[in-house]
Amino acid sequence: NAGVMQNPRHLVRRRGQEARLRCSPMKGHSHVYWYRQLPEEGLKFMVYLQKENIIDESGMPKERFSAEFPKEGPSILRIQQVVRGDSAAYFCASSPWDRSSGANVLTFGAGSRLTVL
Amino acid sequence: DAKTTQPPSMDCAEGRAANLPCNHSTISGNEYVYWYRQIHSQGPQYIIHGLKNNETNEMASLIITEDRKSSTLILPHATLRDTAVYYCIVRVDNYGQNFVFGPGTRLSVLP
Repeated sequence: NAGVMQNPRHLVRRRGQEARLRCSPMKGHSHVYWYRQLPEEGLKFMVYLQKENIIDESGMPKERFSAEFPKEGPSILRIQQVVRGDSAAYFCASSPWDRSSGANVLTFGAGSRLTVL
Repeated sequence: DAKTTQPPSMDCAEGRAANLPCNHSTISGNEYVYWYRQIHSQGPQYIIHGLKNNETNEMASLIITEDRKSSTLILPHATLRDTAVYYCIVRVDNYGQNFVFGPGTRLSVLP
């Protein structure tokens, strides 16, 4: 049972290019979360998605950033026209909706590290 | 979700128990206490969670006070590999709620 898979692990982009980060949740997990971690800073929530639905995007910058989780395939975090300030580690997490235990636990991927030159 | 307060850093000798405190004085009855940790720049790792009762698993123990206003994560025999930032989060077990990570406690296990 593979964990949360993120790719690419490392991505280098020049200013103005687009970055696409992919996240495949754990098998059976229907919820995906994206977090950003700037160098030497904490984890900041960006967006929470269910299949084909954005549940909470309160942490997403208003411009250039978008996320989707289609019916088939991985979740995608897309950053258009990247700037140096977008350089960060982007972590994806997934969770089931486990009614039986009454709790909801996140499993994180290893992250994608974006460097903008 | 209730706010949590943790010390910014702690040291622990290798082989000894590490006791990491967390205050959550405004916790409400349906909020769980979760602990995660992040080793260096890896993805955060779930450790344990609980509602009212103390909990134990292969990684740690979670002690929640009777009034639920504070809790302690115990790593019974800390190793150098336990050096990490530890996050205490309180959260309603509810569909549609995200996890909010605070600054956490940076635990350094010393040889």
